[in-house]
Amino acid sequence: NAGVTQTPKFQVLKTGQSMTLQCAQDMNHEYMSWYRQDPGMGLRLIHYSVGAGITDQGEVPNGYNVSRSTTEDFPLRLLSAAPSQTSVYFCASSPEAGGINEQFFGPGTRLTVL
Amino acid sequence: AQSVTQLGSHVSVSEGALVLLRCNYSSSVPPYLFWYVQYPNQGLQLLLKYTSAATLVKGINGFEAEFKKSETSFHLTKPSAHMSDAAEYFCAVSVTGYSTLTFGKGTMLLVSP
Repeated sequence: NAGVTQTPKFQVLKTGQSMTLQCAQDMNHEYMSWYRQDPGMGLRLIHYSVGAGITDQGEVPNGYNVSRSTTEDFPLRLLSAAPSQTSVYFCASSPEAGGINEQFFGPGTRLTVL
Repeated sequence: AQSVTQLGSHVSVSEGALVLLRCNYSSSVPPYLFWYVQYPNQGLQLLLKYTSAATLVKGINGFEAEFKKSETSFHLTKPSAHMSDAAEYFCAVSVTGYSTLTFGKGTMLLVSP
């Protein structure tokens, strides 16, 4: 079991460039989510999905798009990168949404936007 | 909506001393509460969770937390700190049903020899 995997581990972009952060899980989890972590801000939810074909916005969705065509994959797209999107991005999954379910986290992607 | 407040962005202890990390929550319905730990340059991993079965919850690495409804608190403790406990700790809350997980801002635990 690889758990939750994220690629790339590091990325540097120029303002205005687009890119996709990849996230995959092999635990057959229905719920997947994307967070960004900034110093002193904790983790803030960007987008989440409760199953294939279903996505919804979290606390800070602007500038990001997601889709969920399979149970395993949940990519995060930056449409036009801005310096304010410099952050560490974590993908997480759990068997179901909310309640007592533990979320399993990937190792993170450290993104710098110049 | 639910929320979490962690008191103290940094806590410093000596090796062997008591660790106490504070977490207060706000929720209009009975909450589920979690503590996660993040070691440097890693993702988060679950330390323990409260699911209403018992108010005193034991987790990994000797940590435990007590749910106190009257104080809306879920403080994390460990009797004796180890150097390896140095990490950032996050308290989080969710509620029954279709609900996202809401995190506190985190507390960095520093352990000195």
